[in-house]
Order: sequence, then C-alpha cells, then structure tokens
Amino acid sequence: RKEVEQDPGPFNVPEGATVAFNCTYSNSASQSFFWYRQDCRKEPKLLMSVYSSGNEDGRFTAQLNRASQYISLLIRDSKLSDSATYLCVVNCADSGAGSYQLTFGKGTKLSVIP
Amino acid sequence: SAVISQKPSRDICQRGTSLTIQCQVDSQVTMMFWYRQQPGQSLTLIATANQGSEATYESGFVIDKFPISRPNLTFSTLTVSNMSPEDSSIYLCSVQTGRSNNEQFFGPGTRLTVL
Repeated sequence: RKEVEQDPGPFNVPEGATVAFNCTYSNSASQSFFWYRQDCRKEPKLLMSVYSSGNEDGRFTAQLNRASQYISLLIRDSKLSDSATYLCVVNCADSGAGSYQLTFGKGTKLSVIP
Repeated sequence: SAVISQKPSRDICQRGTSLTIQCQVDSQVTMMFWYRQQPGQSLTLIATANQGSEATYESGFVIDKFPISRPNLTFSTLTVSNMSPEDSSIYLCSVQTGRSNNEQFFGPGTRLTVL
C-alpha cells in the first residue's frame, strides 16, 4: 500500500468554483501534515501546514482526520493562478531518518479554466 | 523561509560521467536534504546531508552513486556518479530551518538529462 495516496486528477474547474482534494496516509504514527503546490517545471512550495483542529488561510482550508488518516484541502473562489499540482505531504516520525523525513503523494493536478 | 539556490539549474551529460550539484542557503539551517523527482513522479528522498559527518541514505540509494558533502550549515553538494539515462531527473535540495513543525523549503532544482 502506498504511504500517501492522492487522486491524480486532473480537476478542471471554472474560475470561482470551489474544489476539494483528498489524501490518505498509511502510517498512523505520522505527526506533521502539509500541502505543497508545485507549478510546472518548478520546485514544490509550501502552501500550508495542516493542524489537528483544521486551519484556514484565506481561500484555503485544510482539515485533518487522524482516526481515518485523511487530509483534505478546500479551495474556494478558484483563481486562474491556482492552477498547479497540489502535493499532500506527511511526516513519518518513525522513519529511518528520524522525525524529519517527509513522504510525498504524487499530487493532484488542478486546472482552473476561464 | 530561507532563500535557496542551486547550481547548475540544468545540464545535459554523457553516460558514464559525473555531475556535482551545489545547494547554497542564505542562512544557517539545521537540516538539509536531497530529493529526486523523476518525470511524472513525486519526490523521493535520496539522503539527509549531515554537517560534519556522513550523509544518511534512504533505501535504494548508496554513497558510491550519490556522494554528498556538507562542509557547513549553509552549503551542500550532491554528486551523481557514473551516470546512466535512468538518472535523468530533477534533483532538489531542501532545508528545514528548525523553527516549527518540520516544514521544508526547496531549492529551484537541477534538471539533469543523461544521454
């Protein structure tokens, strides 16, 4: 079973739409959770950390469900500039590299259409 | 977040040669890492670059193929040795500043093509 699974998409949505991405992780000992965005031919950039109580940053809302080992990202009022691949990232605390190793999902591609 | 630069940004190399990639950070950081992202794939951790000691390699990666240096808290190099076309990939360094929550920040990457 893959450690971090995401729907690869693509999600094609009109401007202004609300879109949700989901992610599941297999390691119940995971402690930190993130969403990164990666534009074509660019490096991943941290979008937001995901906290147990859920958190919001402008149009972006992240939720964590530890019992179901499930993370979500909601984007409201989509903009053209939101088009990118969104990577679900999990810190697996019991990995060989200690508490620093991040495990990346393959990403969900979003295209926001005019 | 830290400002991270990588050199070269891209290269095309011949089979059997080696390439050293440099990663420079504008501030001292506790942890530095090297990742690989093959076409259409997600990121895979190659190793953790440890300052003053040997790097810690992940399963499937060995020092002879990917020697790493980290002479100080702002700089690291990754060498891709005896390259084959299967090594064609984007190589990224990342840093963890140690401020909070194990967040990592990535350099712009080095796009390597091996002919």
